[in-house]
Amino acid sequence: SQKIEQNSEALNIQEGKTATLTCNYTNYSPAYLQWYRQDPGRGPVFLLLIRENEKEKRKERLKVTFDTTLKQSLFHITASQPADSATYLCALDEYNNNDMRFGAGTRLTVKP
Amino acid sequence: ETGVTQSPTHLIKTRGQQVTLRCSSQSGHNTVSWYQQALGQGPQFIFQYYREEENGRGNFPPRFSGLQFPNYSSELNVNALELDDSALYLCASSSGTGTPGELFFGEGSRLTVL
Repeated sequence: SQKIEQNSEALNIQEGKTATLTCNYTNYSPAYLQWYRQDPGRGPVFLLLIRENEKEKRKERLKVTFDTTLKQSLFHITASQPADSATYLCALDEYNNNDMRFGAGTRLTVKP
Repeated sequence: ETGVTQSPTHLIKTRGQQVTLRCSSQSGHNTVSWYQQALGQGPQFIFQYYREEENGRGNFPPRFSGLQFPNYSSELNVNALELDDSALYLCASSSGTGTPGELFFGEGSRLTVL
């Protein structure tokens, strides 16, 4: 069966450290993968998109990698801040039609 | 440019009732997707509408149905409500199929079924 698994339900780190979140998928051949941020009671907000032929993407303090051999994406937040505390969702699309399938998310807490 | 708006924001229904949720897509977007998000879970894809036609469906029963209107706004209808239908229902718009792009989400409609 198809699965999208994010490494843990919750991740706690100290301010200033790098947070690394993992997204593994099974029985998908994604054309691209996205990461979203979701705050409690709000809709998800888009952060980054990476295509299957790209290895890495960066945006300010965010970095995403995509390894189609390992079937894994890593999401990094460098110099983390308490304001980065949220749930981070990975999502993938197989058919380039914005039909995104989401993982369960990882709740990140950055402590001052 | 207006964002994605959903209504109502909260509602309470009883088992067996029917509910209609509404979504106005972002200006210029012709694709709307609906998701169900249970507490502590990721959004689960219900279906997508592209230019008024259903363009993909997740693993949801037929009592979940939808519409998209000529102005690309959309409705989600759920019949014969069950307790497990209690969730946050999210609408997302995007600029169309064939082009990878971000989804723009509304803030959701929180449905409670008693």
